[in-house]
Amino acid sequence: RKEVEQDPGPFNVPEGATVAFNCTYSNSASQSFFWYRQDCRKEPKLLMSVYSSGNEDGRFTAQLNRASQYISLLIRDSKLSDSATYLCVVRYISNSGNEKLTFGTGTRLTIIP
Amino acid sequence: EPEVTQTPSHQVTQMGQEVILRCVPISNHLYFYWYRQILGQKVEFLVSFYNNEISEKSEIFDDQFSVERPDGSNFTLKIRSTKLEDSAMYFCASSEGTWGHQPQHFGDGTRLSIL
Repeated sequence: RKEVEQDPGPFNVPEGATVAFNCTYSNSASQSFFWYRQDCRKEPKLLMSVYSSGNEDGRFTAQLNRASQYISLLIRDSKLSDSATYLCVVRYISNSGNEKLTFGTGTRLTIIP
Repeated sequence: EPEVTQTPSHQVTQMGQEVILRCVPISNHLYFYWYRQILGQKVEFLVSFYNNEISEKSEIFDDQFSVERPDGSNFTLKIRSTKLEDSAMYFCASSEGTWGHQPQHFGDGTRLSIL
């Protein structure tokens, strides 16, 4: 099983629609979770952290299910500018304090006018 | 907003040569990282650095690679005797800490092309 698994897409969604992405992770001891977005040939940019109780930032909602080792991202009222690759990122910190970020392959989203 | 800066933006090098990729992390950050992304593939962790020493490295980060913080601002990745398969985007990142949800902030990358 991959450490962090995402549906690569592509998702082609009309402007204004709602779209959801899922991500699963294999290490049950993972501590922190993030969604980053990456535009073509650009650096990953933090979209939002994912909190245990779920959290919302404007049109974006993130959910975490530790029991199922599952993370989701919901985008409402999608905009053309939302077109990007969305990266699920999982952080594990060892007992010695060493940190490792593991990235999923990303889900590619294209918003269609 | 403070940002991580990387130079050069694009480096073209002959196979077998050494390259040094440079990064200036955000000034109050204490943790520094290098990642690479081969075209069309996922972002891969290379190494983390804290308190002037490597704290974690991946299996990719072999003896060909080294990192250094030569002064109070720069953080460098050196690749010795480059190979064709080293061609990739290399991202530097920094964070304030590893607790809670402290995120890592990424520079805009150096595209390394090995000929």
